[in-house]
Amino acid sequence: DGGITQSPKYLFRKEGQNVTLSCEQNLNHDAMYWYRQDPGQGLRLIYYSQIVNDFQKGDIAEGYSVSREKKESFPLTVTSAQKNPTAFYLCASSIGRGSRTEAFFGQGTRLTVV
Amino acid sequence: ELKVEQNPLFLSMQEGKNYTIYCNYSTTSDRLYWYRQDPGKSLESLFVLLSNGAVKQEGRLMASLDTKARLSTLHITAAVHDLSATYFCAVVKKIIQGAQKLVFGQGTRLTINP
Repeated sequence: DGGITQSPKYLFRKEGQNVTLSCEQNLNHDAMYWYRQDPGQGLRLIYYSQIVNDFQKGDIAEGYSVSREKKESFPLTVTSAQKNPTAFYLCASSIGRGSRTEAFFGQGTRLTVV
Repeated sequence: ELKVEQNPLFLSMQEGKNYTIYCNYSTTSDRLYWYRQDPGKSLESLFVLLSNGAVKQEGRLMASLDTKARLSTLHITAAVHDLSATYFCAVVKKIIQGAQKLVFGQGTRLTINP
């Protein structure tokens, strides 16, 4: 079945530690996105990528980094520079072109700082 | 800057009643989405609205779009407990070179009581 797989589902980070969230898709989508959701709020865009080896900052990119070495994969690293990383992280993908594209979301990773 | 506002943010209603969630956005967009999110889960796509006057219905939910008023509504008919969830609208914003992102409303937490 085609879809977006995020792992792990739950992740705990110690202060000062970098962690990487995985996002893999087999939908052959060009565009991939990372969103952050805080309790009781909507989603905010962290980074996005339209094609392999290219990515752009979203609205809240500070303290995060990404890579796009393969079309299928768009991992997100939460660095120690991110002062408040506890949140629910959602990865999404879309065809990335044309006027009728739709974004599909993974199941999310809940990151907690301990 | 594109802003998306939903109201109400919280809605508690009785089973069998009708109600409407409103989504206003500040600048022109050619697509609007409605998503459902259950607690701790990812986003499930409900509707994609592409043009002025578009109306889509699925079961007890009906969504409409008025691009001139920059307003979308999600109408719930004869609510049932299973519809309890948080509902988000999201508007597409074009960025650069064909890239686009979704700008989300704050979400409406809907609770349907027996």
